[in-house]
Amino acid sequence: AQSVTQLDSQVPVFEEAPVELRCNYSSSVSVYLFWYVQYPNQGLQLLLKYLSGSTLVKGINGFEAEFNKSQTSFHLRKPSVHISDTAEYFCAVSPSGAGSYQLTFGKGTKLSVIP
Amino acid sequence: DAGITQSPRHKVTETGTPVTLRCHQTENHRYMYWYRQDPGHGLRLIHYSYGVKDTDKGEVSDGYSVSRSKTEDFLLTLESATSSQTSVYFCAISESLGLAGLRGGSSTDTQYFGPGTRLTVL
Repeated sequence: AQSVTQLDSQVPVFEEAPVELRCNYSSSVSVYLFWYVQYPNQGLQLLLKYLSGSTLVKGINGFEAEFNKSQTSFHLRKPSVHISDTAEYFCAVSPSGAGSYQLTFGKGTKLSVIP
Repeated sequence: DAGITQSPRHKVTETGTPVTLRCHQTENHRYMYWYRQDPGHGLRLIHYSYGVKDTDKGEVSDGYSVSRSKTEDFLLTLESATSSQTSVYFCAISESLGLAGLRGGSSTDTQYFGPGTRLTVL
């Protein structure tokens, strides 16, 4: 079984400042990793994903994340946030082998960008 | 955007009544999923489907049933709604990855989500 821990439930940050949203996972098998964003009253939208290869993954809207296998982390970063980045962010993990239907989500981090 | 629609988008019902939520996709993806989202819990998987008439339980399946008679439609039914089932319900779809899919394997790639259904059980 897999589990995901998002270490911060809420993160306030000033506009144009950098931000890091932390995600740690637990799994006994190799995994795929995802970050999703949910804007108010909307569904989830994929920001980026790690399947294999380079551990630094770039996504939409200027976000990037780095997979660290030894620390079992997949932290999300953006060098300069905008008001429009205010949303809830979810980290998710899926086993990478056969039978890996299921995504396990963290509880989410609410990012509030302060003007 | 993936072609996923959910209906209804909002529903208010009373305890003990049956409720059916519909997810419709136009992507011809093999896998479909139902999640519920509750504050402080993130998204939790209710049921999923890996083909027509092939379904299985997720983490929080008690009180829910599903059916998939066509590739494009995945129905979630609450046989007798309870207040604890007040939630936002999301449908998601995904397709198999390359060779794994051709061999009948089950590796999954990105899941794409519908807009959600807000269900209130009074």
